[in-house]
Amino acid sequence: SAVISQKPSRDICQRGTSLTIQCQVDSQVTMMFWYRQQPGQSLTLIATANQGSEATYESGFVIDKFPISRPNLTFSTLTVSNMSPEDSSIYLCSVAGSHSGELFFGEGSRLTVL
Amino acid sequence: GNSVTQMEGPVTLSEEAFLTINCTYTATGYPSLFWYVQYPGEGLQLLLKATKADDKGSNKGFEATYRKETTSFHLEKGSVQVSDSAVYFCALISPQGGSEKLVFGKGTKLTVNP
Repeated sequence: SAVISQKPSRDICQRGTSLTIQCQVDSQVTMMFWYRQQPGQSLTLIATANQGSEATYESGFVIDKFPISRPNLTFSTLTVSNMSPEDSSIYLCSVAGSHSGELFFGEGSRLTVL
Repeated sequence: GNSVTQMEGPVTLSEEAFLTINCTYTATGYPSLFWYVQYPGEGLQLLLKATKADDKGSNKGFEATYRKETTSFHLEKGSVQVSDSAVYFCALISPQGGSEKLVFGKGTKLTVNP
């Protein structure tokens, strides 16, 4: 298993500002995943972050809006840029387990944009 | 595309009641199916899984059987406890184009009262 810590756990932000979410894993992992959970919706994969290369974004998500860093094998950041109220969500960091479909998640970062 | 539909919540039960949370899916190929659980203040964690038709996943008294003929993976527990109060997510993974991506349902919130 993996222990994943995210910061901040929650924040209230003003429209037009940007916020960076940090994700720390207690072991070295190749891929880290960033998900978004909008109110009343399912988890949606934003991007996959590999160490040493550009993140791979899913349809509907772009690097300018959600830049991701992956400086080493235990850490990643997701920035939500130029926020609007529609960005109010829980953002989750996760890493893969040893079996297909098994993911370990952080506790999430709840963002509210006013 | 792949999708997961699970029953809308919230679900409120008394302790020792029987629990069913319905989940149906649409997928290409032969997906693997999962139930994830998110306890209050914690990240999602894998509860159980089934990788082929007629498989039964089980853990912590919860069970779910992979039914290909009805494309379902309903979660059941014979006697719930207060500590089972959480949000439950049904999910699938279906290899497409060589990659595997988890697709989640919207989650069902369960509250168990003493």
